[in-house]
Amino acid sequence: QSVLTQPPSVSAAPGQKVTISCSGSSSNIGNNFVSWYQQFPETAPTLLIYDNTKRPSGIPDRFSGSKSGTSATLGITGLQTGDEADYFCATWDSRLQTVLFGGGTKLTVL
Amino acid sequence: QVQLQESGPGLVKPSETLSLTCTVSGGSISNYYWSWIRQPPGKGREWIGYVYNNGYSNYNPSLKSRVTISVDSSKNQFSLKLTSVTAADTAVYSCASSTSGDYAQIDYWGQGTLVTVSS
Repeated sequence: QSVLTQPPSVSAAPGQKVTISCSGSSSNIGNNFVSWYQQFPETAPTLLIYDNTKRPSGIPDRFSGSKSGTSATLGITGLQTGDEADYFCATWDSRLQTVLFGGGTKLTVL
Repeated sequence: QVQLQESGPGLVKPSETLSLTCTVSGGSISNYYWSWIRQPPGKGREWIGYVYNNGYSNYNPSLKSRVTISVDSSKNQFSLKLTSVTAADTAVYSCASSTSGDYAQIDYWGQGTLVTVSS
């Protein structure tokens, strides 16, 4: 069971918006930056969001990140069937002195 | 673009040492933080630790007594050694790199390699 809690799955129709939450505590999300990743089956993860809200070069602005207190959220607008993937969050935990990962959320675009 | 490729035995006997190597291409090993992450079958990801190009390393406290991550700049490779393995160490092991000092911000990941601990 991951310390960072994500919903196992979310779904939405093409063109719609979806949000994926990542819930933690003051020792991790509450006081450290959050990163988000996208992973397709049998491929390596891709960095989508870092420093809570920033997008690496090449990541479309349909992807956004936010953080409030001890929770972070990944937003995806204009959903496409090609967005169907697993999404997970990550952050440093100052108390445990380790990187923590969320359990991952499977996005289905209906 | 940096590309990472893990290599090493896919089967290790209990109590022995797991050794994996990550070969870096498309970039210099001198410019990044180099990490290992694992994911046991059906379980969540676990950060193992990282090494910087100057040899400084930082490990997950739960694994610290058994882990060594090192860099071989001459070969553009870095490696993982995990001693005294048990079945609980069976996992997909992935190497990764970060340009930032934020260890959770991983810019590049390897595909991962499954290591099974079994006699």
